[in-house]
Amino acid sequence: AQKITQTQPGMFVQEKEAVTLDCTYDTSDQSYGLFWYKQPSSGEMIFLIYQGSYDEQNATEGRYSLNFQKARKSANLVISASQLGDSAMYFCAMRVTGANSKLTFGKGITLSVRP
Amino acid sequence: EAQVTQNPRYLITVTGKKLTVTCSQNMNHEYMSWYRQDPGLGLRQIYYSMNVEVTDKGDVPEGYKVSRKEKRNFPLILESPSPNQTSLYFCASSPGTIYNEQFFGPGTRLTVL
Repeated sequence: AQKITQTQPGMFVQEKEAVTLDCTYDTSDQSYGLFWYKQPSSGEMIFLIYQGSYDEQNATEGRYSLNFQKARKSANLVISASQLGDSAMYFCAMRVTGANSKLTFGKGITLSVRP
Repeated sequence: EAQVTQNPRYLITVTGKKLTVTCSQNMNHEYMSWYRQDPGLGLRQIYYSMNVEVTDKGDVPEGYKVSRKEKRNFPLILESPSPNQTSLYFCASSPGTIYNEQFFGPGTRLTVL
C-alpha cells in the first residue's frame, strides 16, 4: 500500500522568504509519480509540480521546486520568495502503476505567509 | 479552455433524497475519478474509471454509484444520501498514465441534513 506522510501541522513564513514543506512517502513500487497540489481557502485543487521516480533532476516550476531524495523517500516542496497569495493548504500526493491509478494524498500542511 | 466542470457547486439536501453531481471534462482524458475531502482525512478516492464503460470502486465507495457512458462525463450518484456523506467532493481527470497530473474540478460542497 502507498502512504504519504505530512507531519508539519502548520507553517509560517515571512513574505519574500523561502519555505520548505516536508513530505515522505512509502511504496514498494519502482515506478511512481509524486505531485504537489495547492488548495487555497476558495477550495479548488491547483496542481503545482510533478516528479517522476526515474527523473534524475529535481523538478522546478517557477518559484516551486521539489527536493527529491529517493533513498530517503522524501519529496519536499520548496517555495522561494513567498507571496501573500501562497497562504493555503498544500498536499503531497503519489500515483503508482495499478492501485486504481489514484492519487494517494497526505493530510496536508497549512502555510501562512506573513506580511 | 481545458477544464473539468462540476455541478452543482453547493448543495444542501435531506437524508434519503437521491441526488446526482455531474462531472464533465473537455480534454479527452481516459481516466476519471471522484474524491471526497474531509477535515483531517485528506482526499480519498470514491470511484474511478479507466475508460468508457469501465468503472471500479476506490477506497470509500459505500453509498455511491457512478456511470461512464461517454468519455467526457462521469456523474456521481447518491441514491439515499446520509449525513455522513456531508463532504467536499472533487472530480478529476487525466491521461491514463501515472506520470500525468490529475486535473481537478472546482469541487462540490454537499451538506446532508
